[in-house]
Amino acid sequence: SAVISQKPSRDICQRGTSLTIQCQVDSQVTMMFWYRQQPGQSLTLIATANQGSEATYESGFVIDKFPISRPNLTFSTLTVSNLSPEDSSIYLCSVDSENYSYEQYFGPGTRLTVT
Amino acid sequence: AQSVAQPEDQVNVAEGNPLTVKCTYSVSGNPYLFWYVQYPNRGLQFLLKYITGDNLVKGSYGFEAEFNKSQTSFHLKKPSALVSDSALYFCAVRDIWGTDKLIFGTGTRLQVFP
Repeated sequence: SAVISQKPSRDICQRGTSLTIQCQVDSQVTMMFWYRQQPGQSLTLIATANQGSEATYESGFVIDKFPISRPNLTFSTLTVSNLSPEDSSIYLCSVDSENYSYEQYFGPGTRLTVT
Repeated sequence: AQSVAQPEDQVNVAEGNPLTVKCTYSVSGNPYLFWYVQYPNRGLQFLLKYITGDNLVKGSYGFEAEFNKSQTSFHLKKPSALVSDSALYFCAVRDIWGTDKLIFGTGTRLQVFP
């Protein structure tokens, strides 16, 4: 399975600022996925990022608030902009299994607290 | 639309006893089902999946899950629980025939008592 790392592992940010989260995979992957897990909640897909094209956002998520970059096949960033306390969540990136056997593998997550 | 339901917010079990974490699904077409575990302050770890074949699938850490088509269920099981199994468990379905997205249940917190 792919090894995925995320930076930072956690951060505390002030309202109105932005946080950029990095996701690094140890192998080349076509698609990378970004999820949000609000406190005590399940995972919600934010967007899917393909290398060389704009990310595809899910309903309720917009590019101005959650800009994503995908400069190459092993790396992606998610920025959470204009932070409010409601953005306090765990943000996780994931990738499909290497042989596309349908499961996804997840990074350790970034825990964001907005004050 | 594809969905999964986890009817129990929390399951409590004594160490050494068998455990079951329930999951039911609603899909059009053949279901692609998964279980993930989330330990405190860690990401999701893949446990097991059902795509096709035997209804009883075995996964990591001694877990297994039973696919039951007539009851549209995919319950996670372990014959003998460990305190270290205490974590948050998510059932998920992949919408292969539609959006190809992974859709998660609400999660069940498993607490194993010594």
